[in-house]
Amino acid sequence: AQSVTQLDSHVSVSEGTPVLLRCNYSSSYSPSLFWYVQHPNKGLQLLLKYTSAATLVKGINGFEAEFKKSETSFHLTKPSAHMSDAAEYFCVVSNNNDMRFGAGTRLTVKP
Amino acid sequence: KAGVTQTPRYLIKTRGQQVTLSCSPISGHRSVSWYQQTPGQGLQFLFEYFSETQRNKGNFPGRFSGRQFSNSRSEMNVSTLELGDSALYLCASSLRNAGIGSGYTFGSGTRLTVV
Repeated sequence: AQSVTQLDSHVSVSEGTPVLLRCNYSSSYSPSLFWYVQHPNKGLQLLLKYTSAATLVKGINGFEAEFKKSETSFHLTKPSAHMSDAAEYFCVVSNNNDMRFGAGTRLTVKP
Repeated sequence: KAGVTQTPRYLIKTRGQQVTLSCSPISGHRSVSWYQQTPGQGLQFLFEYFSETQRNKGNFPGRFSGRQFSNSRSEMNVSTLELGDSALYLCASSLRNAGIGSGYTFGSGTRLTVV
């Protein structure tokens, strides 16, 4: 069985400061891991994915995530937050026939 | 190229009615999945179709059903609607025949309100 835990339901940062959204996963197999972003009243957009290649994954809009097997983590980071980053972020763990979403982290960016 | 298109965007139905939602995947994508998103339960997997066959099914009652046509368009149907079925229903499509998890493109969703 697989599961994913997003450690913070809400993160608030100031514009221009770093962003850290935390995700821990549990999987019996070597999983694929994803981060998706959802803006209000929109569908989910894929930010980045890890599929057992490089452990540091670069995504769109300056986001990146590092896969740490020893810590079973896949935290999402961005060096400098922009107002347009305000949204809901979902960490996802998948093993071919099973895909599990985290509960989501709402990112607020203050001017 | 066009993204994943879901119709209608908004829908209001009465308890006991049935509803059909439509999803047109990205051209060339053969895999379509459906998800229900609610504030209380988050994102929950409903089912996945590939080449007109249901490959995976989530833990939802039989009132929830779906199908996929030869052109990869998919519909989901909910019969005997309940208030708890009010949610954002998201459709996602994927090119690869690799099961769910290969990275999907999501539509904007259909917002269903049951009154």
